[in-house]
Amino acid sequence: EADIYQTPRYLVIGTGKKITLECSQTMGHDKMYWYQQDPGMELHLIHYSYGVNSTEKGDLSSESTVSRIRTEHFPLTLESARPSHTSQYLCASSEPGRGQVETQYFGPGTRLLVL
Amino acid sequence: GDSVTQMEGPVTLSEEAFLTINCTYTATGYPSLFWYVQYPGEGLQLLLKATKADDKGSNKGFEATYRKETTSFHLEKGSVQVSDSAVYFCALSDRTSGTYKYIFGTGTRLKVLA
Repeated sequence: EADIYQTPRYLVIGTGKKITLECSQTMGHDKMYWYQQDPGMELHLIHYSYGVNSTEKGDLSSESTVSRIRTEHFPLTLESARPSHTSQYLCASSEPGRGQVETQYFGPGTRLLVL
Repeated sequence: GDSVTQMEGPVTLSEEAFLTINCTYTATGYPSLFWYVQYPGEGLQLLLKATKADDKGSNKGFEATYRKETTSFHLEKGSVQVSDSAVYFCALSDRTSGTYKYIFGTGTRLKVLA
């Protein structure tokens, strides 16, 4: 069972506010990911990290930023929230298992509503 | 590039019915294949996986077989329960591409009626 945590679980915020979504994992995984999930359920990779001080933009352009100062922590920040940022944000981490197969483990998600 | 195609939902079944959710993929290398399940209000949970051709992944009564000849990884369950109502995602990871990223399908919503 994976131990990956996200806070807050739900957030309602006004336009223009700065927010940080927290993601922590206790498994010592090097690789971590942020996905944005739209109402149609599709998952879009917006950021990923292969280790401390490593961050990359994902396949979907996002106005958010991330940092990776500690292995276990991968926060996502929106400097100025807009209604278009309303979505569910999922954090994941992965490790190479048997045969070097990467298995991703997901947190419970943060549901964000920007008014 | 690599891609995953899932059957569109929603899929509505009666309890104890047989379930199939189709998933096909395209990949240039040798991908590993996964099924994830997402219950309402939660994140994704790994349901099963297969790492090479002809492997069968199984968990909680669900099964899927990695078919290289048809590039498919269909999810099946012999008798669904109301508690199986969720969204199911097929995914692949192709480490031969040099990345560790997953490619996810668009998800299939399953609703099981009592």
